[in-house]
Amino acid sequence: NAGVTQTPKFRVLKTGQSMTLLCAQDMNHEYMYWYRQDPGMGLRLIHYSVGEGTTAKGEVPDGYNVSRLKKQNFLLGLESAAPSQTSVYFCASNEGQGRYNEQFFGPGTRLTVL
Amino acid sequence: GQQLNQSPQSMFIQEGEDVSMNCTSSSIFNTWLWYKQEPGEGPVLLIALYKAGELTSNGRLTAQFGITRKDSFLNISASIPSDVGIYFCAGEIQGAQKLVFGQGTRLTINP
Repeated sequence: NAGVTQTPKFRVLKTGQSMTLLCAQDMNHEYMYWYRQDPGMGLRLIHYSVGEGTTAKGEVPDGYNVSRLKKQNFLLGLESAAPSQTSVYFCASNEGQGRYNEQFFGPGTRLTVL
Repeated sequence: GQQLNQSPQSMFIQEGEDVSMNCTSSSIFNTWLWYKQEPGEGPVLLIALYKAGELTSNGRLTAQFGITRKDSFLNISASIPSDVGIYFCAGEIQGAQKLVFGQGTRLTINP
């Protein structure tokens, strides 16, 4: 199993450009998450999904949109990138709640917005 | 939102020393998880705790779920260079469907 994979690994955007980050998992997990990590801030939840076709807002959702059309994929979109969105983005997945809430993380996408 | 206070923020130790870090919250959690992140990588799960008072080991690592369900600690014994990284605690409030993460403890080891 590849686990959780993220595409691309690095990206540089100009302010106002749009892009989509792709997360894929091959563990048949129900729950998927998008986080951003900034220096000294830990991991902050952007959006998450508890199943195919569902999405919910996390702690810092503004400026981002997500879609979960297929169970194995979770897409994070930036419609109009801003320098404040320069960060490292991590995707994670897990089976469910309780003893199934152990999240597995992807390797991250490093995004720079100029 | 919910907050986890993780301390210390950073540690500079000598190889062979023991390490202790902890997380506290004003909320009650039903799960505590400890992750390690190395440079350029995503966090990797080290230990998961599911019951108040539970004490679990993974090699030289030991973690405990506090009796009040509002705190957890992680100990690393006899540190080695490969222990370098950022350690995160994470907790789940029952039914929340998501984790709350601490700010991380950056561990640096002098050989």
